[in-house]
Amino acid sequence: GESVGLHLPTLSVQEGDNSIINCAYSNSASDYFIWYKQESGKGPQFIIDIRSNMDKRQGQRVTVLLNKTVKHLSLQIAATQPGDSAVYFCAEGGGSEKLVFGKGTKLTVNP
Amino acid sequence: DAGVIQSPRHEVTEMGQEVTLRCKPISGHNSLFWYRQTMMRGLELLIYFNNNVPIDDSGMPEDRFSAKMPNASFSTLKIQPSEPRDSAVYFCASSARGGGGEQFFGPGTRLTVL
Repeated sequence: GESVGLHLPTLSVQEGDNSIINCAYSNSASDYFIWYKQESGKGPQFIIDIRSNMDKRQGQRVTVLLNKTVKHLSLQIAATQPGDSAVYFCAEGGGSEKLVFGKGTKLTVNP
Repeated sequence: DAGVIQSPRHEVTEMGQEVTLRCKPISGHNSLFWYRQTMMRGLELLIYFNNNVPIDDSGMPEDRFSAKMPNASFSTLKIQPSEPRDSAVYFCASSARGGGGEQFFGPGTRLTVL
């Protein structure tokens, strides 16, 4: 049945550990994917993106992996810090300016 | 360099009142998006504009909602009359066409309809 509200997946890690946040996307025709970070009381902020012709892209402390076969996207954060605590959204797009956002994962970093 | 600017940041109103939310996109961006975020439904796209023209308003919940973009530097989202179920955080975002899809979000307007 329909849930009363969104039950965000949660991930709790210790400071200094690596974090992996997963996302399943829906449209096999999507050709770019973005990870956003949303801190409490703020708008989503761009972290990193990847095109469908790539399977891995690295940024500063973050890596995005794309598996088109199973329509799966992941965000890896190295040496997670308390400032990384936020809700993380994946978004998919292609063919238009629109992005479709996932439900989000709440990351909590314990000191 | 100013990002997307939204006003007001917080709005509390009574059911039946008209509410107008405002957005100034990043200068030079061609596309503007209005989103609504709730615990129940997450982040939903309401409408977006390209070069001030509404392209897709399929996410607008009903006729009580309307959006305009009279020029490249200003957009409004109006709810009339407002209802308690409209309570949410409303985000405006902008992007540069051909900019790879990245949308830059404003800080949001938290709307409470009593």
